[in-house]
Amino acid sequence: GDSVTQMEGPVTLSEEAFLTINCTYTATGYPSLFWYVQYPGEGLQLLLKATKADDKGSNKGFEATYRKETTSFHLEKGSVQVSDSAVYFCALSIGRGSTLGRLYFGRGTQLTVWP
Amino acid sequence: DTGVSQNPRHKITKRGQNVTFRCDPISEHNRLYWYRQTLGQGPEFLTYFQNEAQLEKSRLLSDRFSAERPKGSFSTLEIQRTEQGDSAMYLCASSLGADNGNEQYFGPGTRLTVT
Repeated sequence: GDSVTQMEGPVTLSEEAFLTINCTYTATGYPSLFWYVQYPGEGLQLLLKATKADDKGSNKGFEATYRKETTSFHLEKGSVQVSDSAVYFCALSIGRGSTLGRLYFGRGTQLTVWP
Repeated sequence: DTGVSQNPRHKITKRGQNVTFRCDPISEHNRLYWYRQTLGQGPEFLTYFQNEAQLEKSRLLSDRFSAERPKGSFSTLEIQRTEQGDSAMYLCASSLGADNGNEQYFGPGTRLTVT
């Protein structure tokens, strides 16, 4: 079935370190891929997305490239800040146009950045 | 504030009681989704509506759960005869569907505790 697998957390980094959070997917159709972020005490926020192979989504210094050949959508940031501490969720949605529906989420990766 | 709103934010109930949650989506969004999130897990899909039509229901949605969106605007999720296993965060999201690549915008959630 359709699913997302994220790297296990927690991830702990020092400020200005490089971040990678791995995400791979299994999909029966043509997925769109998303990263959501959940800051402490807040709701889920869309961070970035990519809708077709080789697309790169980017926002707030974060990037992820849709790799069809490796079925991956790894999240990267060159220099993390303390304010990036949050839980990050990879997600996919199957279909195109009117068939787009539910999101399938990974389990989330807790990121803690120390000053 | 034009985001997704949910009420109540917290609900504590005794096992066997019925509870109802409300979600008000972003006004121009025609799709509305319900998810459930337990500690340490990603959100799990429950059901979604396009306008007033309920298009898909998860197997997680037992017959004790019912959702409505009578006028294609706000939605309610009712749980009858609550069980301790129903304790979770219930999330609502809305989207424009295909028109925005199925970007889903989440509300703050309703945290249910069944004692």
